[in-house]
Amino acid sequence: GAVVSQHPSWVICKSGTSVKIECRSLDFQATTMFWYRQFPKQSLMLMATSNEGSKATYEQGVEKDKFLINHASLTLSTLTVTSAHPEDSSFYICSARVGRGQGPIINEKLFFGSGTQLSVL
Amino acid sequence: GEDVEQSLFLSVREGDSSVINCTYTDSSSTYLYWYKQEPGAGLQLLTYIFSNMDMKQDQRLTVLLNKKDKHLSLRIADTQTGDSAIYFCAETYTDKLIFGTGTRLQVFP
Repeated sequence: GAVVSQHPSWVICKSGTSVKIECRSLDFQATTMFWYRQFPKQSLMLMATSNEGSKATYEQGVEKDKFLINHASLTLSTLTVTSAHPEDSSFYICSARVGRGQGPIINEKLFFGSGTQLSVL
Repeated sequence: GEDVEQSLFLSVREGDSSVINCTYTDSSSTYLYWYKQEPGAGLQLLTYIFSNMDMKQDQRLTVLLNKKDKHLSLRIADTQTGDSAIYFCAETYTDKLIFGTGTRLQVFP
């Protein structure tokens, strides 16, 4: 099956530094990539949707200057947490989607990365 | 915004059936999904159901949908220790997946 590689799987950084998380579709081209944030014992919160070659669409309440998303190619999207603070500590998950349409997302093939645990000291 | 809710925890004995419940708010959702997340990992799609269906069975999994009450459930028959994980229901809203709060299933011997 298709694979989405997310790197790094965990990162610890000092407050004030920036952290980049990569999401790669290894054997397919992703028309759209999604970035989610998961708090402990809470649901996955959709942060933004990115399409290759265009600006990301951010969900309400997500600071676009804080969470920079670059979708430079059909196989790579990056999320950069700028000037990270302890409250940014969380589990970040990307997903990559092939195809569009109104059928179930399974028919459009949505694959998830294994997530990145970010801890900001 | 759209809201999808689940109970946080469920504990069952190995071999028993597990039932995980979910309520959602968007009546226009055409598809509803169940995902499984193992510790430190991404999400794995288990099954999905089209909104004009009441039930879908897939091996040990049975999905029930009550569209009137906006209630979705996942029944796992003969629950095994390997089923221990967090289970998320999700609905499609426009072109996005909106996830529930997740139910942590713990299976004990």
